Amino acid sequence: KQEVTQIPAALSVPEGENLVLNCSFTDSAIYNLQWFRQDPGKGLTSLLLIQSSQREQTSGRLNASLDKSSGRSTLYIAASQPGDSATYLCAVFRNYQLIWGAGTKLIIKP
Amino acid sequence: DGGITQSPKYLFRKEGQNVTLSCEQNLNHDAMYWYRQDPGQGLRLIYYSQIVNDFQKGDIAEGYSVSREKKESFPLTVTSAQKNPTAFYLCASSIGPTDTQYFGPGTRLTVL
Repeated sequence: KQEVTQIPAALSVPEGENLVLNCSFTDSAIYNLQWFRQDPGKGLTSLLLIQSSQREQTSGRLNASLDKSSGRSTLYIAASQPGDSATYLCAVFRNYQLIWGAGTKLIIKP
Repeated sequence: DGGITQSPKYLFRKEGQNVTLSCEQNLNHDAMYWYRQDPGQGLRLIYYSQIVNDFQKGDIAEGYSVSREKKESFPLTVTSAQKNPTAFYLCASSIGPTDTQYFGPGTRLTVL
C-alpha cells in the first residue's frame, strides 16, 4: 500500500532563508508527484507537477525534485517571504488516484 | 472567470440529518473529486467521477453518496449513516485523471 510521509509537520524560519520541504513515498511505481499549497481554511493550489520520467520542475522561486529510486521528493523555496507561510502538501498519483501526505506547516517570520 | 465553487462555506448538521454539499465547475473538466480533510491527516478520497453519469467509490465512501448528472456539477450528500462527518470537505476537478487537480474553497461541516 502506498504511503506518503512529510517531515517535519511544522517548520518556522526567518524571512529570506532558502528552505527545503521533504516528501517520501513507499512505492516507487508512481505516475507523477504533485506539490500543493493550502492557506488556512482554504482550498488547495497546485504548485508543481513532476511526471515520473522527470527529475525536477521549476516555477519562480520554487523547485521540486523527484528521486523515484529512493522514494523522495523535495520542494526548494528560495528567498522565503512571509507570504509563503502556508501548509505544503505533496501527493503521488497511482492507480487512478492521488495519495496524500499530511503536509508541512511553514511559517516565515518577518 | 473560471474556477470551482463550493457552497455553503459552513454547514451545521443535527445528528440523523442528511445534508448536501454543492460543487460546481466551469473549467470544462471531465473529472471531479470529493475529498475529506481532518486535522493532521492527508486528504482522503470519498468519490470521484471521470465522466458524466459515472462515478466510483474512493477509500472512505461509506455514509456518502454522489451524483453526476451534469458535467459542471458533482454534489455530495452526507447521510446519517456517516458516523463522524465533522470535517473539511474539498471538491476538485481536472481535465483527466492524471492531470493537475484544481480545488474549490471547501465546506466545513460540523455536526451538532
